[in-house]
Amino acid sequence: SQKIEQNSEALNIQEGKTATLTCNYTNYSPAYLQWYRQDPGRGPVFLLLIRENEKEKRKERLKVTFDTTLKQSLFHITASQPADSATYLCALELYNQGGKLIFGQGTELSVKP
Amino acid sequence: ETGVTQSPTHLIKTRGQQVTLRCSSQSGHNTVSWYQQALGQGPQFIFQYYREEENGRGNFPPRFSGLQFPNYSSELNVNALELDDSALYLCASSLARDSVAKNIQYFGAGTRLSVL
Repeated sequence: SQKIEQNSEALNIQEGKTATLTCNYTNYSPAYLQWYRQDPGRGPVFLLLIRENEKEKRKERLKVTFDTTLKQSLFHITASQPADSATYLCALELYNQGGKLIFGQGTELSVKP
Repeated sequence: ETGVTQSPTHLIKTRGQQVTLRCSSQSGHNTVSWYQQALGQGPQFIFQYYREEENGRGNFPPRFSGLQFPNYSSELNVNALELDDSALYLCASSLARDSVAKNIQYFGAGTRLSVL
């Protein structure tokens, strides 16, 4: 069956450390993988997109890797801050399915000062 | 702020009733998608509209229906509400289909629907 799974438990880290979130999928062949941030009571906000032929993407303190052999994406936040505390969602987009995202269940990140 | 607005923010209905949720897309966006997000879960794709036509549907029954208007605003209608329909309903808009930027979804804050 098709599945997309993220770290099932909440992630608690100390300010200044690197947070690493995992997204694994089975029986999908995505064209793109996206990461979104969602704060309580808000809709998801787009962070990064990586294509299936890209290995790594960076944006400021954020880094995403994409391994289509392992069917896994890792999302890193370096020098984490309490303001980074939120739920992070990964989402697959299949070929010719623009805008029809398949989301994981999300990982709640808490950064303590 | 994404420029996508949804109304109402909260809604309470009883089982069997019908509900209409509304979404105003970000300026310049002609594609709108609707998602259902249960508590503690990721959003689930309901359907997408492009230029007023349905353009793909997720695993939701026909009692979930939608409309897109010429100004690209949109409605989600749910008939014969069930308890399991209680969720956050998210609307997302994006740029034209043929643009690389079509992949990025701009979400509204959602409508919290409670079915009693």
